[in-house]
Amino acid sequence: NAGVTQTPKFQVLKTGQSMTLQCAQDMNHEYMSWYRQDPGMGLRLIHYSVGAGITDQGEVPNGYNVSRSTTEDFPLRLLSAAPSQTSVYFCASSPSYGGRSYNEQFFGPGTRLTVL
Amino acid sequence: AQKITQTQPGMFVQEKEAVTLDCTYDTSDQSYGLFWYKQPSSGEMIFLIYQGSYDEQNATEGRYSLNFQKARKSANLVISASQLGDSAMYFCAMREGDLGGSQGNLIFGKGTKLSVKP
Repeated sequence: NAGVTQTPKFQVLKTGQSMTLQCAQDMNHEYMSWYRQDPGMGLRLIHYSVGAGITDQGEVPNGYNVSRSTTEDFPLRLLSAAPSQTSVYFCASSPSYGGRSYNEQFFGPGTRLTVL
Repeated sequence: AQKITQTQPGMFVQEKEAVTLDCTYDTSDQSYGLFWYKQPSSGEMIFLIYQGSYDEQNATEGRYSLNFQKARKSANLVISASQLGDSAMYFCAMREGDLGGSQGNLIFGKGTKLSVKP
């Protein structure tokens, strides 16, 4: 069981470039989400998904796109990177409901993104 | 208004002593869950403890306990017998609509940096 994996671990982009942050989980979790963490701000929700084919916006969705074609994968796309998107990005997953593991969101190790 | 408030940006505690990290929350939902996560300097998010709004007893997990005072809307984390490895950022978080069909979204506070002194 690898849990939640994220790639890459580090990335430097130039303003205007696009890229995709990858997230995968092997726990058959229905719920997946993306957060960004900025200094002094805690984690803020970008987008989330309650199952394959279903996505919705969180608190700070502007500048990001997501899709969920499989249960396992939930990539985050930056179409035109801006310096304001410099942050640490965390992917998380959990079962939708039921069982003790519902009460824990499993986080990936994070991706540190710098936009110049 | 902030939904999760952590009023202590930083705290110090002597090794082997107990420490309380404060967290207050704001919600109109009857069903919600409260979480604490630890983030060491290496950056990963480590789940510590969970308290459901309908749980009558305070949650405990080893050296961690959650002092849940529903009327005061507070969910303080108590760490007993602090260890040097407890030095980290600690985040309080809330999930609203906790019973069945919850979308799982967590709302985080800004965190408290705990430093354990030898």
